[in-house]
Amino acid sequence: DIQMTQSPSSVSASVGDRVTITCRASQDISRWLAWYQQKPGKAPELLIYAASSLQSGVPSRFSGSGSGTDFTLTISSLQPEDFATYYCQQGNSFPYTFGQGTKLEIK
Amino acid sequence: QVQLQESGPGLVNPSGTLSLTCAVSGGSITNGNWWTWVRQPPGKGLELIGEIYHSGSTNYNPSLKSRVTILVDKSKNHFSLRLNSVTAADTAVYYCARKGSSWCFDLWGRGTLVTVSS
Repeated sequence: DIQMTQSPSSVSASVGDRVTITCRASQDISRWLAWYQQKPGKAPELLIYAASSLQSGVPSRFSGSGSGTDFTLTISSLQPEDFATYYCQQGNSFPYTFGQGTKLEIK
Repeated sequence: QVQLQESGPGLVNPSGTLSLTCAVSGGSITNGNWWTWVRQPPGKGLELIGEIYHSGSTNYNPSLKSRVTILVDKSKNHFSLRLNSVTAADTAVYYCARKGSSWCFDLWGRGTLVTVSS
C-alpha cells in the first residue's frame, strides 16, 4: 500500500492567517491526490481533487499544489468555519489510502 | 441531487457479522460511478474498505478482504456491506461514498456508528 504522511499533525492559527499543510506519498502518485475537510461528527467533504482542482462550491481561499510525492494544501486567509481536520488521499493505486489527518485549531 | 444514506444495526456482537446498506437517492446507481465503503474508528483516520461497480465488480482492501463482501442491488438502487468475524477493532463510523472520475470520493453519506460489543 502507498503510505501518505501529513505534516504537521496539528496546527494552531488565527482567523486571517495563511496556513499550509503538506502531504507526502511513499511513492510517485502523479497528481492523483485529493484533500478533504472533516468537522466533528460530520462526514469528510471533498475540497481539492487531482492535486489542484477546486471542487465545485469550495471557496477559492483553498488551493492545492504538487505532483509526484509532495503536495500542499493552502488556505489563504483562515475563516472561522475552516477550523477542522484535513486529510489527503491518494487515488493512484488501490487500496486508496489517506493521510493521518491534520487538525487545524484556533490560536 | 444525489444523496447517500447508510442504515443498519448500531451494535454487533463480537464474532458476528456487521451488515450495512447504502441507499442511493436522486440518481441511479448504474450511472457509471464506483460505490465505496470507508470507515473511521473513533478519534482515528479514514480507511477504505472496498468498492463496487453496478456490474457487480468489486475491489477489496487486502487488509480486510478475507472478511468483506460488498453487493449491489440495482432494483433497489442500493449497495451493501457485510463484514464477518468482527472484533472490537471493527468499531467505527462506517461511511458509504461515491468515487468520482479523479479517483476521489466526491459524495459521502452521513455515516453510521457501529459498535462491536456484547
